Amino acid sequence: QVQLVQSGAEVKKPGASVKVSCKTSGYTFTAYYMHWVRQAPGQGLECMGWINPNSGGTNYAQKFQGRVTMTRDTSISTAYMELSRLTSDDTAVYYCARDPNDYGDYFDFWGQGTLVTVSS
Amino acid sequence: DIQMTQSPSSLSASVGDRVTITCRASQSISNYLNWYQQKPGKAPKLLIYAASSLQSGVPSRFSGSGSGTDFILTISSLQPEDFATYYCQQSYTISITFGQGTRLEIK
Repeated sequence: QVQLVQSGAEVKKPGASVKVSCKTSGYTFTAYYMHWVRQAPGQGLECMGWINPNSGGTNYAQKFQGRVTMTRDTSISTAYMELSRLTSDDTAVYYCARDPNDYGDYFDFWGQGTLVTVSS
Repeated sequence: DIQMTQSPSSLSASVGDRVTITCRASQSISNYLNWYQQKPGKAPKLLIYAASSLQSGVPSRFSGSGSGTDFILTISSLQPEDFATYYCQQSYTISITFGQGTRLEIK
């Protein structure tokens, strides 16, 4: 069965960076794009961008360009999202989400979420 | 970016009720519209993709319709497990956006 298992909760100070992992199993990792979506406390869903695990190609939402880096390690079927220069506004649950990429972009499987708290 | 507006923002209903949630796009998005259900503390769950295609494993009481700018999610007969927040999402452009969510509560 398809599984996306994310790394654990993080507490970071303003100005620091955080790297979240998303380990996949149950499907061919390189066959599906991986998106990252975040959700601030009590708020809605916000797309941060995606990575093509096959090529390593990425596309980042304009809001996060220059601060986010998405990478992957195909040998262990894992995707990563690193966000730098954190502020309190980056406190959120971060999700990885698989994209079947067969009719536009939609997300059929999600990780369990990783809470990132930014606090001094 | 394309703005997605859901209505209502919140809704109270009873088990067995028929419920509709509307999502309107700020420009035409053809049928590149998807619906998700999210329960507290959990990741979203895909219900409908391409406006009207039911995701595998999702009960048939969920259905989607619409194209262009106006879309509807219908739950034909509410079950206790359906009380949650629902989001629409467009992927017509590379800048994917979600609606603000509709919270469905028990009356």
